[in-house]
Amino acid sequence: ELKVEQNPLFLSMQEGKNYTIYCNYSTTSDRLYWYRQDPGKSLESLFVLLSNGAVKQEGRLMASLDTKARLSTLHITAAVHDLSATYFCAVGQNFGNEKLTFGTGTRLTIIP
Amino acid sequence: DAGVIQSPRHEVTEMGQEVTLRCKPISGHDYLFWYRQTMMRGLELLIYFNNNVPIDDSGMPEDRFSAKMPNASFSTLKIQPSEPRDSAVYFCATNGQGPNEQFFGPGTRLTVL
Repeated sequence: ELKVEQNPLFLSMQEGKNYTIYCNYSTTSDRLYWYRQDPGKSLESLFVLLSNGAVKQEGRLMASLDTKARLSTLHITAAVHDLSATYFCAVGQNFGNEKLTFGTGTRLTIIP
Repeated sequence: DAGVIQSPRHEVTEMGQEVTLRCKPISGHDYLFWYRQTMMRGLELLIYFNNNVPIDDSGMPEDRFSAKMPNASFSTLKIQPSEPRDSAVYFCATNGQGPNEQFFGPGTRLTVL
């Protein structure tokens, strides 16, 4: 059974600082997704990572994937308040099986 | 495109009542997923469909839950009878062929009193 762990679960950081959220998964996978959820809202897709070494960047967020280590990271650069949200990683089992397993989420709070 | 449409957005009902949640997928998307989100259990996949056919319903908690997809434009998740522990936000998500991301609807917040 595929298990997905995120850490930390809660992260409070000051504006302007850098930090990284980690997503570990237990079995081989060839696709990983990052989502953002604002309080009371739905999930919004941020990144799709499909190969070992994949790196995607959007603004102050950068996601990477290491399939050999079964690890993805979401790096936040010079955090701003607008990035406060809960971030989820989700791992696909294999092509042909569209099921995703979501991590527990990381609640990020950016303090002015 | 309007995105994934869910209705109702909020539902308050009493224990024992039947509840029906509705989802309209993005046009052309072959896969449809029903999730439940709670503070205690996080985001759980209940069931998913491919081309209107249920593929994996292993996440459906018990017989009180049922889901249908009569056509490519519509799916329902029904709870009968509802219980307070069913209170949660229920999301519908869809994606097309290939390793594309799932697009989530706005969710239905269900409260069972």
